[in-house]
Amino acid sequence: EPEVTQTPSHQVTQMGQEVILRCVPISNHLYFYWYRQILGQKVEFLVSFYNNEISEKSEIFDDQFSVERPDGSNFTLKIRSTKLEDSAMYFCASTREDTEAFFGQGTRLTVV
Amino acid sequence: ILNVEQSPQSLHVQEGDSTNFTCSFPSSNFYALHWYRWETAKSPEALFVMTLNGDEKKKGRISATLNTKEGYSYLYIKGSQPEDSATYLCARGGATNKLIFGTGTLLAVQP
Repeated sequence: EPEVTQTPSHQVTQMGQEVILRCVPISNHLYFYWYRQILGQKVEFLVSFYNNEISEKSEIFDDQFSVERPDGSNFTLKIRSTKLEDSAMYFCASTREDTEAFFGQGTRLTVV
Repeated sequence: ILNVEQSPQSLHVQEGDSTNFTCSFPSSNFYALHWYRWETAKSPEALFVMTLNGDEKKKGRISATLNTKEGYSYLYIKGSQPEDSATYLCARGGATNKLIFGTGTLLAVQP
């Protein structure tokens, strides 16, 4: 069964460092998303991506964040200069047109 | 209602009990309502996607209803089993397919 895969499963980084979280969405899906969940809080929308551009982003997704689909299969989230409050589980998801989202297993980002 | 809200936050039931929980969402410009099941250490798994007012969907012992005019959806679990223990998330989908999630209902089913 096709699935969304994310790497790494856990990333520890020093404050101020850049991190890149990687996702391989399901191959015939068109819409791609990043969500995050800070421990004990709700799942928060970060950004949606369609047709090689950002279609919507939240207020969390500031200039420190960027997304790319460099090669038609990977979908990456970059955080340029990590802060302690960026520590969270980051989930990638993909969908076809009007269907349910399929989520990856998540990357746990710990900023120290 | 400005956000997607779920109640209760947590629920403890005995094996065999039937249970239900609520998702409330802004009714204006409604597009779709999703329910997901999220087990610890796994990723959210889709249960239902509903778009029409009055929709009812069923998967095994789990069913869901949708009222888009008043902005709520109910999820029902009949005869809860320990393996039903999970967080149940609802999410409101918009025209751009952006999903806005509620905080979830944590269900614990005691054997």
